Amino acid sequence: GAVVSQHPSWVICKSGTSVKIECRSLDFQATTMFWYRQFPKQSLMLMATSNEGSKATYEQGVEKDKFLINHASLTLSTLTVTSAHPEDSSFYICSAYMDGADTQYFGPGTRLTVL
Amino acid sequence: QKEVEQNSGPLSVPEGAIASLNCTYSDRGSQSFFWYRQYSGKSPELIMFIYSNGDKEDGRFTAQLNKASQYVSLLIRDSQPSDSATYLCAVSPSNNDMRFGAGTRLTVKP
Repeated sequence: GAVVSQHPSWVICKSGTSVKIECRSLDFQATTMFWYRQFPKQSLMLMATSNEGSKATYEQGVEKDKFLINHASLTLSTLTVTSAHPEDSSFYICSAYMDGADTQYFGPGTRLTVL
Repeated sequence: QKEVEQNSGPLSVPEGAIASLNCTYSDRGSQSFFWYRQYSGKSPELIMFIYSNGDKEDGRFTAQLNKASQYVSLLIRDSQPSDSATYLCAVSPSNNDMRFGAGTRLTVKP
């Protein structure tokens, strides 16, 4: 149990385009999901907390208009990187919080490369 | 002061030895504590969680928690080269909130 998927697993795009990443909890409902970013050899950085049916809460320094988050259902959250630039190239990882288990389960991550 | 602090390492141990990973946290009200393992290029995977003071054992892994000292550790017995990874300590001060340490890189040498 506790499987979280992400799609796509990797994406290469041109500068200026937008990229959407999906995060799904496959066998449990997740009221809360989290989006992280990780640059090579660095630690996880929390970008935002996504709550089903309400606006996401962004960490300081994360542009909400650039990183659009939608949590439309209890099993799906999406992150859209708008007008991507090379500096947005990173490993984006989502996690889903399982109520009752009081823990987060991570998706496999999406590697974004912006040319 | 960071909310969750770990020694970044690298920590190097020989195969078969005990690896000891340490973590301190700042929020005394924290209730839940987790250890995740992250292989290079992969996302973190949950190894153990612990809620109460004392030790919790699961196979070769033992988590230790001391809330008075705000300290949590992970022991890996009979370390294997496949245990080589970055280990992330995470602390949950409240529901739906989890704060991660920067991780300790462990290398187990054959």
